[in-house]
Order: sequence, then structure tokens, then C-alpha cells
Amino acid sequence: EDKVVQSPLSLVVHEGDTVTLNCSYEVTNFRSLLWYKQEKKAPTFLFMLTSSGIEKKSGRLSSILDKKELFSILNITATQTGDSAIYLCAVLTNYGQNFVFGPGTRLSVLP
Amino acid sequence: EAGVAQSPRYKIIEKRQSVAFWCNPISGHATLYWYQQILGQGPKLLIQFQNNGVVDDSQLPKDRFSAERLKGVDSTLKIQPAKLEDSAVYLCASSLGTGKLSTGELFFGEGSRLTVL
Repeated sequence: EDKVVQSPLSLVVHEGDTVTLNCSYEVTNFRSLLWYKQEKKAPTFLFMLTSSGIEKKSGRLSSILDKKELFSILNITATQTGDSAIYLCAVLTNYGQNFVFGPGTRLSVLP
Repeated sequence: EAGVAQSPRYKIIEKRQSVAFWCNPISGHATLYWYQQILGQGPKLLIQFQNNGVVDDSQLPKDRFSAERLKGVDSTLKIQPAKLEDSAVYLCASSLGTGKLSTGELFFGEGSRLTVL
């Protein structure tokens, strides 16, 4: 059975801190890994990673994929209260063309 | 570009009642998904459509849940009869499809929050 695991499940930091969120997976026919940010409403897209070792960056957020060790990390530097959200990791598989989601990491950034 | 539309946003019903949710995906998106997200958990796939055909409904509780996508555009998800454990947010998402031309990205609607009392 395809599985996506995220850690930590919950994290509380102060503004200005740097955080690293982890996502590991066990799936057949891996195609890509995606990160989403979910505040009160629908998840919004952050990154899609397909190749190992290539960092994707957007402002203070960056992410990288390791297809050999089957994991990805999402880094957020100089955190702000607006970064408080649930961060979801999902893996797209070729079989069934399905997105398998992890449980999410709930990040709380305190002022 | 209009996003994925869902309605209703909120619904409160008593157990054993029925409820229906509606989703209109982004125009041109061939693939449509219904996810169930229970508080504190990640989204769990209920059903996936490719145009108007079902690709995966292996996790859909078929004794009480049903879904259709007539004409390959809008979709409805029905629960009848509802149970307490069905309380969740029901997210609809769409994508271009997952063929060679697809970015693989999912676009989500704002969700329908169901509370079963």
C-alpha cells in the first residue's frame, strides 16, 4: 500500500526561526512529489519535485527531493506568523494516476 | 481563470440523513477528485474521475457514498445515510490529467464542511 509520512506532525516556533519539514514515502511507480500549504481553506500549491537533488525555491521557502532515500524536505527561513498553516506533502504515482497525501505538519509561528 | 467551485460551503445534518455536494472543476480539466479530510488528518481520496469514467473508487464506502460526473464536467458526491464519522471537509480537486502534457498539479476547491450530529 502506498504511504506518505510526514514529521513532525506539529511544530511551534517563534518568528525569525528556520524550520525544516520532512516527508518520506513508500509508493510504487513514483512520478512526482508535491508540497501544499493549507490555511483555513483549500490547500494551495507550493512546489512540485520530480528530479533528485534539484532545489526549488520561492522566497523564503525551498524544497528538495532525494529519490534514492525516498524523502523530501521543505525549509522555511525567517518564519513569519503568516506561515502558520498545515503543510501537506503528496506523491503522484503513475499507477492509477493518484495523489497520496501525508497527514500534514501543523506549523504555528508565534510573534 | 475561475477556480474549482464547490457548494455548499457548510452543511449540518443529523445522522441517517442524506447530503449532496457539488463540484465544478476548472474548465478543461479532465481529471476530478473527491477527497475526505477529517480534522487533523491529510486528505484521503474517495473517488477519481477521468472525464466521466471512474479511475479509482477503491476507498469509497459504497454502501453509503455515491458520486457521479455526468458529461465529464460537474460532479456530485452523495452520502446516504450519514454517520457521525462522516463529519469532515469534502474537498474537490481537478487537474489537467496526468498524461504527458500534464503538470501533475492539483487545484483544490474551498471544500464543503459537513457536520453530522
